[in-house]
Amino acid sequence: QKEVEQNSGPLSVPEGAIASLNCTYSDRGSQSFFWYRQYSGKSPELIMSIYSNGDKEDGRFTAQLNKASQYVSLLIRDSQPSDSATYLCAVTPGTYKYIFGTGTRLKVLA
Amino acid sequence: DTAVSQTPKYLVTQMGNDKSIKCEQNLGHDTMYWYKQDSKKFLKIMFSYNNKELIINETVPNRFSPKSPDKAHLNLHINSLELGDSAVYFCASSPSMGAGYTFGSGTRLTVV
Repeated sequence: QKEVEQNSGPLSVPEGAIASLNCTYSDRGSQSFFWYRQYSGKSPELIMSIYSNGDKEDGRFTAQLNKASQYVSLLIRDSQPSDSATYLCAVTPGTYKYIFGTGTRLKVLA
Repeated sequence: DTAVSQTPKYLVTQMGNDKSIKCEQNLGHDTMYWYKQDSKKFLKIMFSYNNKELIINETVPNRFSPKSPDKAHLNLHINSLELGDSAVYFCASSPSMGAGYTFGSGTRLTVV
């Protein structure tokens, strides 16, 4: 079993819809959770971090964490074509070592 | 002013050569990292330094040698390059354990 799993996609959503991206992890000791956005040919960019169970909202982005079920998700409201990118989930057990998922490719259709 | 800068951006070299990639951050972060991203976009940690001290050294061939002259700089030297070393190498930094990363723009290494 991979340590951090994501559906590779592509996940296609129409413009204006809600995009829902999911990530599961295997280490129950994980403490910090991150979502990065990576445009093709560019470097990953941190968009959300979450550390405790529940929801965390930042603009059009909401991160959701459920440690009991070992999943973290990212919702993007009012999706725009500019949101089309690969979204990487990263998890750390509270050390400097982060484990990344392989990413979900999101396509927002105009 | 770029927060985490890497040079060079592209590197094309022949098998067997030795090359270096340089990274500098001006964010005042204590921790720096090298990650390798393969053709399937999987990011795998290679090394991490905290305030010039090596704290993570994954199972990377010893042809790869990191060096951190100070906490703002982390370089990666690769000896005897092989075809399988072709990838994008990202430098990153973070202010503390458990905090998010800031990535550099990456170095695309192609070994021919």
